[in-house]
Amino acid sequence: KAGVTQTPRYLIKTRGQQVTLSCSPISGHRSVSWYQQTPGQGLQFLFEYFSETQRNKGNFPGRFSGRQFSNSRSEMNVSTLELGDSALYLCASSLGFGAFYNEQFFGPGTRLTVL
Amino acid sequence: AQKVTQAQTEISVVEKEDVTLDCVYETRDTTYYLFWYKQPPSGELVFLIRRNSFDEQNEISGRYSWNFQKSTSSFNFTITASQVVDSAVYFCALRDFGGAQKLVFGQGTRLTINP
Repeated sequence: KAGVTQTPRYLIKTRGQQVTLSCSPISGHRSVSWYQQTPGQGLQFLFEYFSETQRNKGNFPGRFSGRQFSNSRSEMNVSTLELGDSALYLCASSLGFGAFYNEQFFGPGTRLTVL
Repeated sequence: AQKVTQAQTEISVVEKEDVTLDCVYETRDTTYYLFWYKQPPSGELVFLIRRNSFDEQNEISGRYSWNFQKSTSSFNFTITASQVVDSAVYFCALRDFGGAQKLVFGQGTRLTINP
């Protein structure tokens, strides 16, 4: 069974630009979550999607947004990039949400560098 | 609010030594999940274990064991006879069953096993 895949693996952008990251969950998994990992702040939750609906959101500005498609694939978008957005962005999938939640399985991440 | 504390930032031991990684959590929810993840240098988070709040049985998996104590809100992880391949950053995480249902991570413990 294929794991969680994320594309692209590496990105270099400049301040003010926007970026879209993609995540394909494990087959059969319907919940997708996004995390930002930085040396200073550690692993921080961005948002979680289930059945194309955002179920949870972390404490990030509105520049960070996401969506989920009917095939459970998800994208996250960051607009007006700032230097502080440089991070490893991790996507994770799980079977379900709420009572059907199980452990999350993570993808390899997208390393975003903002210059 | 949920909180996970991993007080040990870095641990360095010699191969074959036993090592315990500490994890203390806070939550108001009575039903929750606890997790341990391993992040090797490649960056991908690897799921190790999930524990439900109503199951305090300790678990052993090969050289790995976990000690869950609700009375002290701790979920410690022990590696017996450590090996160089165990070198990684280890994260403890908590997710409420109700409420916010966000996965909250500790800051991680960097474990280095020296040959």
